[in-house]
Amino acid sequence: DAKTTQPTSMDCAEGRAANLPCNHSTISGNEYVYWYRQIHSQGPQYIIHGLKNNETNEMASLIITEDRKSSTLILPHATLRDTAVYYCIVRVEGGGSNYKLTFGKGTLLTVNP
Amino acid sequence: GAGVSQSPSNKVTEKGKDVELRCDPISGHTALYWYRQSLGQGLEFLIYFQGNSAPDKSGLPSDRFSAERTGGSVSTLTIQRTQQEDSAVYLCASSLAGRLPYEQYFGPGTRLTVT
Repeated sequence: DAKTTQPTSMDCAEGRAANLPCNHSTISGNEYVYWYRQIHSQGPQYIIHGLKNNETNEMASLIITEDRKSSTLILPHATLRDTAVYYCIVRVEGGGSNYKLTFGKGTLLTVNP
Repeated sequence: GAGVSQSPSNKVTEKGKDVELRCDPISGHTALYWYRQSLGQGLEFLIYFQGNSAPDKSGLPSDRFSAERTGGSVSTLTIQRTQQEDSAVYLCASSLAGRLPYEQYFGPGTRLTVT
């Protein structure tokens, strides 16, 4: 699986958009970009995933660059409850043991009042 | 709708005792996974179930660890003769199928402390 690079930490003001970047320059054509987060003392939470096109759901938007070498997770109106570690991972579609999720160090997003 | 549930939420046990951890996946999810997470560490895969079968047990740390799943639903992770290094948060996740792009939904975890 392609390696991802994320900033260690970010701050965001409550009510503002949080834009979390992720670099995955070695991504291959059949790899999806996934985002999870983990709030302190809770289990990981799936946020969103995408392959090529930008995606939006009730939690967030995912913007993937045309060359797919990077992506940005957008929380449009961050709240204090969005303070968490955010993980960007890339996983190949189908085959092998791609069900084994592994997280890197992620980005600690702190939403400030 | 109901998410993945796990019980107990916390378990404190003495070294050498056996423990059972329970996971109730999301209804209809055929795939179920157990992971553990030690303090400040990443996810460690333990075992994967597809239905009642476990095609991948490669992550179980030792033969003291076992898991079963019945009725394609509830799963139990059993740790025999617990050791202090078994202390961790044990996480269960489920998904519609065992291959991406089916996202995994996690339970809140069971925090196991072995004294």
